[in-house]
Amino acid sequence: EAQVTQNPRYLITVTGKKLTVTCSQNMNHEYMSWYRQDPGLGLRQIYYSMNVEVTDKGDVPEGYKVSRKEKRNFPLILESPSPNQTSLYFCASSFYAGVTGELFFGEGSRLTVL
Amino acid sequence: AQSVSQHNHHVILSEAASLELGCNYSYGGTVNLFWYVQYPGQHLQLLLKYFSGDPLVKGIKGFEAEFIKSKFSFNLRKPSVQWSDTAEYFCAVNGAGNTPLVFGKGTRLSVIA
Repeated sequence: EAQVTQNPRYLITVTGKKLTVTCSQNMNHEYMSWYRQDPGLGLRQIYYSMNVEVTDKGDVPEGYKVSRKEKRNFPLILESPSPNQTSLYFCASSFYAGVTGELFFGEGSRLTVL
Repeated sequence: AQSVSQHNHHVILSEAASLELGCNYSYGGTVNLFWYVQYPGQHLQLLLKYFSGDPLVKGIKGFEAEFIKSKFSFNLRKPSVQWSDTAEYFCAVNGAGNTPLVFGKGTRLSVIA
């Protein structure tokens, strides 16, 4: 089944404790992206990747890192999480680097930073 | 920079009422336009998309949207909503070429019996 898989789905952590949210897609998509969703603010892009070893900042990259060593994986790293990073995170992928195709979303990862 | 405006934050309708959700974008060139839907507790799914051709686009579950280039708009419509349409709806746009998708802030639709 074609899908985007995120882990963990739910996480409660404390300020400063490094964490990684994994994202994997099995559709051989070139394009992958991370978004955060907050009430009243909609979806905001954190980072995106057009292909392996190519990553770019989105609208809200501060406090986050990403890597794209393999085509299928695009982990989101929070080196030193802070409470303002409490949010719902979505990973998404698309076949075309130009995002002219449909974006496929993961199920979401709800992160709480205390 | 591209931006997308969804003017309605929360819309409440009775079942069988007609729906129109507004979406305006700012971008000078050729655009691709999308509507995504997020049902409660779920991830976003594509509802419909416009790349070129007929400006009236039909999507899943009876939804349609009309691209009006002169108004920079891509409004979503449904003639008769159902309780199961309760969800959050996101308009999104990107320019031709390698440009990431930009989302609006979303409109929450509540359909009451």
